[in-house]
Amino acid sequence: AQSVTQLGSHVSVSEGALVLLRCNYSSSVPPYLFWYVQYPNQGLQLLLKYTTGATLVKGINGFEAEFKKSETSFHLTKPSAHMSDAAEYFCAVRNDKIIFGKGTRLHILP
Amino acid sequence: GAVVSQHPSWVICKSGTSVKIECRSLDFQATTMFWYRQFPKQSLMLMATSNEGSKATYEQGVEKDKFLINHASLTLSTLTVTSAHPEDSSFYICSARVPSGYDEQYFGPGTRLTVT
Repeated sequence: AQSVTQLGSHVSVSEGALVLLRCNYSSSVPPYLFWYVQYPNQGLQLLLKYTTGATLVKGINGFEAEFKKSETSFHLTKPSAHMSDAAEYFCAVRNDKIIFGKGTRLHILP
Repeated sequence: GAVVSQHPSWVICKSGTSVKIECRSLDFQATTMFWYRQFPKQSLMLMATSNEGSKATYEQGVEKDKFLINHASLTLSTLTVTSAHPEDSSFYICSARVPSGYDEQYFGPGTRLTVT
């Protein structure tokens, strides 16, 4: 069975500071891993994904994530937060179907 | 990237009535579509997997007689909430799988259902 754990339902960072959203996964087979962002009352937008190959994945809006098999982690980072980054972020794992984590709401402090 | 649309974007219905939500893949053919529901401030929960031309596969705990899914063509899947009740009020999101090497999955913008 596959599962996703996102540490911290809420994360607050100051504008310009480093963003770090944590995600750990469980999967019986090599997983595909995703980060999605959701703005209020909207659908999901794919930030980035890991399938195979390079473990450091770069996505849109300056976000990146690193797949660490030994730690079963896929943490999302951004060097400098912007006010527009405030949203809900979901980590997801996929074998035959996508399973989402519970989400982390990112708050940006002015 | 591929585009998935949903219609309507929001709907209000009275308790006891049925409401249909459409999910369309606009520029690709999707043999598989997925339906999720999302309660306020919660994650997306997979309800069912819809395969074109066959019966949907429902996740444990999802009432298939209440949430009717039809995937009649390669570009359209519908979710009908039958005899809706206030507890069915939720955000329903569909996604469509692109039949490619990595089977990319694209999400629709969601449908907000409010049952009064």
